[in-house]
Amino acid sequence: GQNIDQPTEMTATEGAIVQINCTYQTSGFNGLFWYQQHAGEAPTFLSYNVLDGLEEKGRFSSFLSRSKGYSYLLLKELQMKDSASYLCASYNFNKFYFGSGTKLNVKP
Amino acid sequence: SQTIHQWPATLVQPVGSPLSLECTVEGTSNPNLYWYRQAAGRGLQLLFYSVGIGQISSEVPQNLSASRPQDRQFILSSKKLLLSDSGFYLCAWSVTSDNEQFFGPGTRLTVL
Repeated sequence: GQNIDQPTEMTATEGAIVQINCTYQTSGFNGLFWYQQHAGEAPTFLSYNVLDGLEEKGRFSSFLSRSKGYSYLLLKELQMKDSASYLCASYNFNKFYFGSGTKLNVKP
Repeated sequence: SQTIHQWPATLVQPVGSPLSLECTVEGTSNPNLYWYRQAAGRGLQLLFYSVGIGQISSEVPQNLSASRPQDRQFILSSKKLLLSDSGFYLCAWSVTSDNEQFFGPGTRLTVL
């Protein structure tokens, strides 16, 4: 595997900001993806970083530091519908390696 | 537009029985295709991927196999299911090998 690590579970309040961290093994790294997965459903694509820095897409932003093997997903203005698992995946040599996912609980 | 289909949506099979899950993609040519398994509360485990017809790469040793008889068809099979084969099986495709993946709706397999 590629040693993808992310927290198992997080809780945040509606309207707040939450940051979900992900670390990965840097050898052979070609890109970092974030997916959202609601319970019982397939993952859906959120963002993709291949270069260092911040990528912003509406309420979601993703950051990458290749030298540190580190990424985070930032969710702003949290909504109840954001309660889901967030999967970090590194892309290496034609293959995607997924972390176990971070279950985000958004509370009113 | 591109779409990806998987069937069946749910499946309950006895231990030792065979398995065949099918995945088809529409609206694109020569996609990269992937099979993943997700155990309850766990991340996605890559099982197989294919960059072309008849080309299959296996990621983990197991009693499962995959085949790609046509460009946009990917099949996951087993001759004898084990209890540990239970899980959520996801098929995915990507345009190129370094592009985002699009997932099918998944098949939830329960082996009893």
